[in-house]
Amino acid sequence: AQKITQTQPGMFVQEKEAVTLDCTYDTSDPSYGLFWYKQPSSGEMIFLIYQGSYDQQNATEGRYSLNFQKARKSANLVISASQLGDSAMYFCAMRGDNQGGKLIFGQGTELSVKP
Amino acid sequence: DAGVIQSPRHEVTEMGQEVTLRCKPISGHDYLFWYRQTMMRGLELLIYFNNNVPIDDSGMPEDRFSAKMPNASFSTLKIQPSEPRDSAVYFCASSLGTGIHQPQHFGDGTRLSIL
Repeated sequence: AQKITQTQPGMFVQEKEAVTLDCTYDTSDPSYGLFWYKQPSSGEMIFLIYQGSYDQQNATEGRYSLNFQKARKSANLVISASQLGDSAMYFCAMRGDNQGGKLIFGQGTELSVKP
Repeated sequence: DAGVIQSPRHEVTEMGQEVTLRCKPISGHDYLFWYRQTMMRGLELLIYFNNNVPIDDSGMPEDRFSAKMPNASFSTLKIQPSEPRDSAVYFCASSLGTGIHQPQHFGDGTRLSIL
């Protein structure tokens, strides 16, 4: 069975500081992709960053980076230089190569950026 | 580029009424997904289509729910009759294939309230 676990229901970070949002996963698929989405209070789901299970390097996208540790089955999102607009729910998701089109989502982490 | 377009953004209706949610995927995307988001259950995949054909509807909660995709640029999710427990945010998403590297792009969602 596939599972995504986000153990931090809520996180606080000071503006301009870096923050790490945790994500662990479980899958029996030989290859898989990991995704992070942002959901601001307005409700839309915004795709942020992707990491493939066979990628040699950690993914980066602007201020977002992934700390991917395959042996530990973790794919933590790092947001550098936090901004007030980063306050939102963040979801980790996974798609395995034997799961058709299905994306499995974690429970989410609510990030609050303090001025 | 236009993203996934959902309508309506908000829907409030009385129990027993028929509800129709609409979705226009990103042009060229051959996969379309319907999700439901609630506080209790998080994000759940209801059904997805490939080239307008339903592939997996195992997440559809019961016979009151139905989804169609008459062409590549339009899909509907219908609830008849609606019940208060159907209140949730319903998302439509599309992707270019289901490779593990393919992100799903979400619409802004429909916030449904059944009174």
